Amino acid sequence: ETGVTQSPTHLIKTRGQQVTLRCSSQSGHNTVSWYQQALGQGPQFIFQYYREEENGRGNFPPRFSGLQFPNYSSELNVNALELDDSALYLCASSWETGTNYGYTFGSGTRLTVV
Amino acid sequence: GEDVEQSLFLSVREGDSSVINCTYTDSSSTYLYWYKQEPGAGLQLLTYIFSNMDMKQDQRLTVLLNKKDKHLSLRIADTQTGDSAIYFCAEKNRDSSASKIIFGSGTRLSIRP
Repeated sequence: ETGVTQSPTHLIKTRGQQVTLRCSSQSGHNTVSWYQQALGQGPQFIFQYYREEENGRGNFPPRFSGLQFPNYSSELNVNALELDDSALYLCASSWETGTNYGYTFGSGTRLTVV
Repeated sequence: GEDVEQSLFLSVREGDSSVINCTYTDSSSTYLYWYKQEPGAGLQLLTYIFSNMDMKQDQRLTVLLNKKDKHLSLRIADTQTGDSAIYFCAEKNRDSSASKIIFGSGTRLSIRP
């Protein structure tokens, strides 16, 4: 059973650019959630995808968007990058949306916007 | 409202017990979690407790829940150097159809020899 894998592990982008982060969910999991963890903070919920549709969203602007594919892998896209978007982006997968046991997290993608 | 608060730092001597405390505001939370994050790594689920339980023990870990005061604690017995990490308290919150986890800011646990 493989865990959650994210790519790339590190990324540097320039303000105003666009970025795509990728996540492969754990085998058997059909729900993917994305979190942003700024330095020294706890993770903040961005959105959740279930069966290829957005299933809930946190307090993030529309320039944060996502996709989920038939194999349940997922992408997080951020347009018009701002300096404050620099953070660790964590992907978490689970079986169904109402899991009681928390999620399985990947190791994250560290995005630096300069 | 959604808010999870915890102290930022805790320093304990190796072999002693560590107690990390947390308060939350959402009385409808059904599950509460403790996650561990080591440097440069993602989040590892340590343990969870259902809201109708008062206590849960799992090897060196003991979770206590006071639902009246919305207070959660994690006790680590016989703390070892490998326990050095940031510990996040979190609650499960159901917003429309999504189940999301609300995290505190984390408590950095350091171990003194």
